[in-house]
Amino acid sequence: ETGVTQTPRHLVMGMTNKKSLKCEQHLGHNAMYWYKQSAKKPLELMFVYNFKEQTENNSVPSRFSPECPNSSHLFLHLHTLQPEDSALYLCASSQDEGKGADTQYFGPGTRLTVL
Amino acid sequence: GQNIDQPTEMTATEGAIVQINCTYQTSGFNGLFWYQQHAGEAPTFLSYNVLDGLEEKGRFSSFLSRSKGYSYLLLKELQMKDSASYLCAVRDGDYKLSFGAGTTVTVRA
Repeated sequence: ETGVTQTPRHLVMGMTNKKSLKCEQHLGHNAMYWYKQSAKKPLELMFVYNFKEQTENNSVPSRFSPECPNSSHLFLHLHTLQPEDSALYLCASSQDEGKGADTQYFGPGTRLTVL
Repeated sequence: GQNIDQPTEMTATEGAIVQINCTYQTSGFNGLFWYQQHAGEAPTFLSYNVLDGLEEKGRFSSFLSRSKGYSYLLLKELQMKDSASYLCAVRDGDYKLSFGAGTTVTVRA
């Protein structure tokens, strides 16, 4: 779905760096999500925002900090990450979180490597 | 937590049919989704089932049995471009979406 874009597509960072991932959706949706995808594991939901309000924080370490300034933009701020945080970080959006048929549309992801 | 199981890998020949099974145990049920994900790309929505039965969309069909906690995705007339990972996802009673680990399908010529 080209309606959800993510930048950067690839990121390599050291454990002491601070970086941010950006997600933008052009679908007019009200809900946005951050997922972590590690090899051979299910997608792990990290954060959910609905109408700019955070509705879910799935026990994510504080070194990950989300920000949702408006319904179209979502950021994930990263600091003092660990090598095990290396993964594909996917952003998704949907019309309304919590509705049965509500379908999530994904961005291409940011491949993060922590050295 | 929720439990969603699907096979890790499947291989099939071009032009054949492959069936990817998904079993789930969730607290409540509000729908099941199938997504396709090519390597290095975004998962893309394939199908949604909330009632028992078969939903057909061209070469792809998805089946649901709520009483058995079971679904399958059927891929017919396989093409090389169908080589991808297929993700089963279930929305539970609290409307939270949980994903399986995905099934990697390899189509051989």
